[in-house]
Amino acid sequence: AQSVTQPDIHITVSEGASLELRCNYSYGATPYLFWYVQSPGQGLQLLLKYFSGDTLVQGIKGFEAEFKRSQSSFNLRKPSVHWSDAAEYFCAVGVNGGATNKLIFGTGTLLAVQP
Amino acid sequence: DADVTQTPRNRITKTGKRIMLECSQTKGHDRMYWYRQDPGLGLRLIYYSFDVKDINKGEISDGYSVSRQAQAKFSLSLESAIPNQTALYFCATSDSGQPQHFGDGTRLSIL
Repeated sequence: AQSVTQPDIHITVSEGASLELRCNYSYGATPYLFWYVQSPGQGLQLLLKYFSGDTLVQGIKGFEAEFKRSQSSFNLRKPSVHWSDAAEYFCAVGVNGGATNKLIFGTGTLLAVQP
Repeated sequence: DADVTQTPRNRITKTGKRIMLECSQTKGHDRMYWYRQDPGLGLRLIYYSFDVKDINKGEISDGYSVSRQAQAKFSLSLESAIPNQTALYFCATSDSGQPQHFGDGTRLSIL
């Protein structure tokens, strides 16, 4: 069965520090992978996506993610975190043969940023 | 104006009541989706529609129904609301081969 695991429920980092949020997926075919961010009271905003090609993808707000097929991972990174990055982050995999037929979401990682 | 608009944004109601959540979009997308979000569970798909004549169940459709009134409108109904349907509900839209775009959510509380 398809699934997405985000092992870290809650992470706290200092402003200016680097960040890595982990995501592992289980899917038999070539995955379509996404990271979304949810600020309080808001919907989900797409940070970046991987469909094919270069395994290091750049997104908005200075985020990047690297697809590693051998590890079934798609970890999100940012070299220097800003206080405005405090939010909940969701990894998702697109299943059933299309990028947007259905999305399976991880349970999310809540990021806190301390001064 | 938001591309994906959900109404109402907040709703408190009682067990047994019929509730309708509405979603409209100005993006011109064919595909629309309803999810619910519960703390610690992420988002789970309730129903999705690839065009006006196409409705599909997601992983947690029991207790819910939907109506695709037009390309731009997709409503979610709870025929007889129960407390464990208290959650944050999201509508999303997409074009084929493109990521989904989400509304700001409806917070539903069932007492």
